[in-house]
Amino acid sequence: EVQLVESGGGLVKPGGSLRLSCAASRFSFSNYSMNWVRQAPGKGLEWVSSISTSSNYIYYADSVKGRFTISRDNAKNSLYLQMNSLRAEDTALYYCARGHSGSYLLVDWGQGTLVTVSS
Amino acid sequence: QLVLTQSPSASASLGASVKLTCTLSGGHSRYPIAWHRQQPEKGPRYLMKLNNDGSHSKGDGIPDRFSGSSSGAERYLTISSLQSDDEADYYCQTWGTGIVVFGGGTKLTVL
Repeated sequence: EVQLVESGGGLVKPGGSLRLSCAASRFSFSNYSMNWVRQAPGKGLEWVSSISTSSNYIYYADSVKGRFTISRDNAKNSLYLQMNSLRAEDTALYYCARGHSGSYLLVDWGQGTLVTVSS
Repeated sequence: QLVLTQSPSASASLGASVKLTCTLSGGHSRYPIAWHRQQPEKGPRYLMKLNNDGSHSKGDGIPDRFSGSSSGAERYLTISSLQSDDEADYYCQTWGTGIVVFGGGTKLTVL
């Protein structure tokens, strides 16, 4: 069974930075696109960012463009999200999700890591 | 603009069937979608991929009670023999060049 374990969440002040990690196991990580999706308290799912298998294609939602950076290390089976200039509206549970083969059909999800932006 | 529209809520009785709808925005009626379920206090779970011709492929362990169908720009998720733990939020999801899109979700109440 695919395993995706997020970490790195926490409480940060507005304007601060945080780096999320997602440790992947039980599948060939380098063969799949990866994604970050967030969910603000009481709200629906919101796509944040996606990265292709070799990091050749990287996409961001407009709400985070210029502030967040997605990356991956295929040798370490890990996905990352560097979050800078954090705002209160970035407060959410952040999920790591695996894409189906080379597409962005999301087929596996982690349990999420909570990011709270507050002074 | 690629948009998915879902009704905010739905309800059905225990043991009955319910059909949830996800509507693709104009010009995108041929796009496939995915259905995901999120039970209370849990992460989302992939249910199935649903193509514009109604063919679908389910995720591992998803029971036969869950099925999908399509008509034009509408994508449906039908759950039969409703159980109490089917009470959850259901999201549709699709993707295009450089973008992943979610519907707003439908909260299903099992009466």
